[in-house]
Amino acid sequence: KAGVTQTPRYLIKTRGQQVTLSCSPISGHRSVSWYQQTPGQGLQFLFEYFSETQRNKGNFPGRFSGRQFSNSRSEMNVSTLELGDSALYLCASRVGLADTYEQYFGPGTRLTVT
Amino acid sequence: GNSVTQMEGPVTLSEEAFLTINCTYTATGYPSLFWYVQYPGEGLQLLLKATKADDKGSNKGFEATYRKETTSFHLEKGSVQVSDSAVYFCALSEVAGGTSYGKLTFGQGTILTVHP
Repeated sequence: KAGVTQTPRYLIKTRGQQVTLSCSPISGHRSVSWYQQTPGQGLQFLFEYFSETQRNKGNFPGRFSGRQFSNSRSEMNVSTLELGDSALYLCASRVGLADTYEQYFGPGTRLTVT
Repeated sequence: GNSVTQMEGPVTLSEEAFLTINCTYTATGYPSLFWYVQYPGEGLQLLLKATKADDKGSNKGFEATYRKETTSFHLEKGSVQVSDSAVYFCALSEVAGGTSYGKLTFGQGTILTVHP
């Protein structure tokens, strides 16, 4: 079974631009979560989607948004990019919401803002 | 809010040495606890987990026991290999009524380097 895939793997953008990252979960997984990883702040939760609904949201500004499609694929959008948005963005999927379901992570998208 | 504290790194060991990486947590309720590993240039891989007090998670020679009384989940391995060199993250997720919130709260990570 294929793992979580994220596209693109690397991205370079300029301050003020916007960016969209994509995540395809493992087949049959209905929950997708997004995380930001930086050297200074570590791993921080952005949001979780389940059945096309945002279920939980971390402490990030409104410039960070996401959505989930009916096939469970998810996209994350960051508008008006800032230098501090440079990070590795990780997507994780799981089958459902029960606590027995663990999250499986993709390889991440490395975003560099110049 | 919830938080996870890991021992300061980096940790450097010789092959076949004993490994301990300390992890303590603060949480409301009864969280599930996890250890994830990240190899260079890759995402996170689940190493082991425990969902209730006194549970022991184990995988690939690594072990960790959920200690509610000390709010700890220390990672141990009896004999490390060069291939174990990676960054290790302790994490928790809130659980309520059998449902897990998708948010994982991570520790800051511990870099492990194993020399031959």
